[in-house]
Amino acid sequence: TQLLEQSPQFLSIQEGENLTVYCNSSSVFSSLQWYRQEPGEGPVLLVTVVTGGEVKKLKRLTFQFGDARKDSSLHITAAQPGDTGLYLCAGDMDSNYQLIWGAGTKLIIKP
Amino acid sequence: NAGVMQNPRHLVRRRGQEARLRCSPMKGHSHVYWYRQLPEEGLKFMVYLQKENIIDESGMPKERFSAEFPKEGPSILRIQQVVRGDSAAYFCASSPGQANHYGYTFGSGTRLTVV
Repeated sequence: TQLLEQSPQFLSIQEGENLTVYCNSSSVFSSLQWYRQEPGEGPVLLVTVVTGGEVKKLKRLTFQFGDARKDSSLHITAAQPGDTGLYLCAGDMDSNYQLIWGAGTKLIIKP
Repeated sequence: NAGVMQNPRHLVRRRGQEARLRCSPMKGHSHVYWYRQLPEEGLKFMVYLQKENIIDESGMPKERFSAEFPKEGPSILRIQQVVRGDSAAYFCASSPGQANHYGYTFGSGTRLTVV
């Protein structure tokens, strides 16, 4: 059973379009991290959200943590080919030092 | 500004050989984590180490796999008598404290192919 469900699993869109990917759980997290992984490389931390309802922006990327801290979303405006990658979310349940990882959303932006 | 360094980037081993994967954490980071990733899949936790101590190895198979993080030198993930099912990308990550608070800095991974 996957504690963190990411959707969609795969998304392919044209350059310039907007998109949203989701990270959902029935469990409450004290914080949640988003990573992007490019082919052949390790994941890179994009953002950590901590407070319920929190919104963080990173250029064209907007991250939101749900009010109940059970879910999060990543919205990309005017997607570019450089946004292509595997987007992973990881939640902290604060019960130990480990993060709970989602399986990822594979995003392809076509020029 | 060296990040997490993993080597080798690619490793090919015949069935039954040993594989040694090395990881040097970021300067100032004393917490090291090893993850395994199969193609088109997410990350699977293997082991968490601090200097000279294994904190959690619950994700690492009991047989053939071992990990260490000595006082001096890199962390080593060792796989003995490799089998085809060990073929995967192995990522090391480090953090200055517990990663659930600080987030991970990942290396570029070692891609192990067992032939």
